[in-house]
Amino acid sequence: DAGITQSPRHKVTETGTPVTLRCHQTENHRYMYWYRQDPGHGLRLIHYSYGVKDTDKGEVSDGYSVSRSKTEDFLLTLESATSSQTSVYFCAISDTGGTGNTIYFGEGSWLTVV
Amino acid sequence: GENVGLHLPTLSVQEGDNSIINCAYSNSASDYFIWYKQESGKGPQFIIDIRSNMDKRQGQRVTVLLNKTVKHLSLQIAATQPGDSAVYFCAESGGAAGNKLTFGGGTRVLVKP
Repeated sequence: DAGITQSPRHKVTETGTPVTLRCHQTENHRYMYWYRQDPGHGLRLIHYSYGVKDTDKGEVSDGYSVSRSKTEDFLLTLESATSSQTSVYFCAISDTGGTGNTIYFGEGSWLTVV
Repeated sequence: GENVGLHLPTLSVQEGDNSIINCAYSNSASDYFIWYKQESGKGPQFIIDIRSNMDKRQGQRVTVLLNKTVKHLSLQIAATQPGDSAVYFCAESGGAAGNKLTFGGGTRVLVKP
């Protein structure tokens, strides 16, 4: 599992509530990513980080924010959860940002918004 | 990433036979490709990668072939085992996207005993 821990692993929340997912890595990798996986859309990048306090948007960033205050932790926040954000969320890490550097994934966080 | 239907393409293979999973990519600037395996309820697991300056790379029981002319990638699994049953994704990166991966829709492999 490449030293990646996601929490919580499963969560049910109500529409309009804030939700924070945490990714913790023990590999000291510089790059961290949040993806979501949905039937019919595969894996899509939400946000990524290329260092402490350095983040950027992915292809489906609307409705999400991220923070990285320490190398090992990358937080994904849904400020006001909507049913369209029901999904499986995967954190991933890579050592560097150049092409050719393998990205390793965590075990996923299942989020249901009711 | 590619949008595909809700139903993944499925490859049924007899235990012990070889499996071939295909993937077409769209970005001619992509220069790095990865195959991932995803078992039910788990995250994608790295299998093998290949750079665009190669056309073949072998691992343990797996071989990846890259044909840049037709933008096609394949994963061959030798002597398929029940533990190989999973969804397999190809991913590409490079060009303007840098190291950000673009994933294919996935292929489900079912191994029959």
